[in-house]
Amino acid sequence: QVHLVQSGTEVKKPGASVKISCKTSGYSFTDYYIHWVRQAPGQGLEWMAWINPSSGGTNTARKFQGRVTLTRDTSISAAYMDLSRLTSDDTAIYYCTRDLGDDYPQAWFDSWGQGTLVTVSS
Amino acid sequence: QSVLTQPPSASGTPGQRVTISCSGSTLDIGSNYVYWYQHLPGTAPKLLIYRNNQRPSGVPDRFSGSKSDTSASLAISGLRSEDEADYYCASWDDGLSGPVVFGGGTKLTVL
Repeated sequence: QVHLVQSGTEVKKPGASVKISCKTSGYSFTDYYIHWVRQAPGQGLEWMAWINPSSGGTNTARKFQGRVTLTRDTSISAAYMDLSRLTSDDTAIYYCTRDLGDDYPQAWFDSWGQGTLVTVSS
Repeated sequence: QSVLTQPPSASGTPGQRVTISCSGSTLDIGSNYVYWYQHLPGTAPKLLIYRNNQRPSGVPDRFSGSKSDTSASLAISGLRSEDEADYYCASWDDGLSGPVVFGGGTKLTVL
């Protein structure tokens, strides 16, 4: 059974960075892309970035370029998202999700982490 | 403002059929697959429809998806109280907005 388990709630001050982990199990980690999606309070889902766990290649939404860093550790089947220069607008629930697309990412998100609440407040 | 346009709300009574629309362009829906997600507060989103009209195992056949040109629709028949949730469409964007784009979401209320 596929599982994505994320790290816990974070409270950060403006200007700080946050690193969220996404530990996967139940499938071959390097076979499927991992994406990061967030939902701010009262807002909809917003796509942020993806990583190819096999190659380490990444793609980030223009809005987040320069602030998002995606990494992975294939030895423990985990993906990480680092978001820097936080502002109150970054207060949101952050999800990692697996893309079931074969060979290339497609927005085919079949399994999701439980979400990580990040609160940015002075 | 989302690249894909959905109505902010929809409603229906138990047993009814409701449809949620998702409008895009030739850069997204017009040339890529559409996916639908159900999102209940406090939980992770759930995949309802993939590749325009395919249902994952475990998703009731009350849920169906369709796509035509640059628009897509999610239909829910035999509406049930547990269907009350937010619904999002998603697609790939070949332009500068993506590459993954979501609709703004539709809040479905079961009256």
